[in-house]
Amino acid sequence: GAVVSQHPSWVICKSGTSVKIECRSLDFQATTMFWYRQFPKQSLMLMATSNEGSKATYEQGVEKDKFLINHASLTLSTLTVTSAHPEDSSFYICSARPPPGLAGGNIYEQYFGPGTRLTVT
Amino acid sequence: GDSVTQMEGPVTLSEEAFLTINCTYTATGYPSLFWYVQYPGEGLQLLLKATKADDKGSNKGFEATYRKETTSFHLEKGSVQVSDSAVYFCALSDGSNYQLIWGAGTKLIIKP
Repeated sequence: GAVVSQHPSWVICKSGTSVKIECRSLDFQATTMFWYRQFPKQSLMLMATSNEGSKATYEQGVEKDKFLINHASLTLSTLTVTSAHPEDSSFYICSARPPPGLAGGNIYEQYFGPGTRLTVT
Repeated sequence: GDSVTQMEGPVTLSEEAFLTINCTYTATGYPSLFWYVQYPGEGLQLLLKATKADDKGSNKGFEATYRKETTSFHLEKGSVQVSDSAVYFCALSDGSNYQLIWGAGTKLIIKP
């Protein structure tokens, strides 16, 4: 249980175009999902916290108009990188917080998707 | 604010060696502590966790004990294998907003 998927696993796009990344919790309902960015050989940087049915909460320094997050259902959150530029190339990872009691987890755990490698040319 | 400090890598060991990756934290409350592992080309996986002082998390031969007196959560394994080569992240959650505070990650390289 507690599986999170991401799609696509990798994408190459041209500068100026937009890219949508999907994050799905496959076997549980996630009221909260998180979006991270990971630069090569670095730790994860939290971009935003996404709550179902409400606006995402963005971390300081993250442009909310550039990184659009939609959490339309309890199993799906999307991240859209708008007008992508080469500096947006990165590894984007989502995670979902399981409900209490799921698979022995607690409310502070997060289950991670496999990540999406974005390359902007 | 809360923070996590991990030993810098890479850590290079021979197979069957003993492993310790240090992790210390600062937190105002009583956080839950986690170790996540990221194998090459894959996403993060929860390796083990501890939710209160003196708890020991264990999984796949790895162990870590929540030491409140030293604010530490060091990761140990008695005999590492080549397949343990990965990046290991220490993290905490203080429960205030369910966010995870991450260490910088430690790359582990095991040579046969």
